[in-house]
Amino acid sequence: DIQMTQSPSTLSASVGDRVTITCRASQSISSWLAWYQQKPGKAPKLLIYKASSLESGVPSRFSGSESGTEFTLTISSLQPDDFATYYCQQYNSYSVGFTFGPGTRVDIK
Amino acid sequence: QLQLQESGPGLVKPSETLSLTCTVSGGSISTSGYDWGWIRQPPGKGLEWIGTSLYSGNTYYNPALKSRVTMSVDTSKNQFSLKLSSVTAADTAVYYCARRPVGYGVDVWGQGTTVTVSS
Repeated sequence: DIQMTQSPSTLSASVGDRVTITCRASQSISSWLAWYQQKPGKAPKLLIYKASSLESGVPSRFSGSESGTEFTLTISSLQPDDFATYYCQQYNSYSVGFTFGPGTRVDIK
Repeated sequence: QLQLQESGPGLVKPSETLSLTCTVSGGSISTSGYDWGWIRQPPGKGLEWIGTSLYSGNTYYNPALKSRVTMSVDTSKNQFSLKLSSVTAADTAVYYCARRPVGYGVDVWGQGTTVTVSS
């Protein structure tokens, strides 16, 4: 199994802040990682796929990067609409499954 | 625009089988290059991938649930389905159906359906 960890679990920030969330895989997943945003009572929304590719329609303040098995989601200037929970998901191999990270909640400082 | 809609009982008794269907509209489930899956979220908790069906007919399941999960695709009805047997209270969750272009993340989600396991 591939395990995914995220840090921090909760993040308090202000509008305009630069926010960074980290996701680590327990083994190599190449670049097969996605990031999602979820608001209460809603389905998740795809932000980033293949570690650093921005999904169509997603604001450019969101970006993704990778270094080995460590992946980062950055919000360059936090906006009021960005307060939500963020999940990473690896999709390296069908046979071992597509694991989600435990999530990072971004709330208002 | 492609839409997904989950349907099925909202209440299932312990030890019974949970059955859900996802109806695809605005596109064909037979289109190559996509897979169709189920993801769940227990109350107040994170997301858990349940399994995926490929357009080729292959299915893959979460190893932790594999012994209890069956997924299938009905191309004639443009639907795919989930069966989870021997449910317990731990299976209480919002269940989402989802479409994933191969090599991408999940780009289309159903609205989610709440399933409660209780006697």
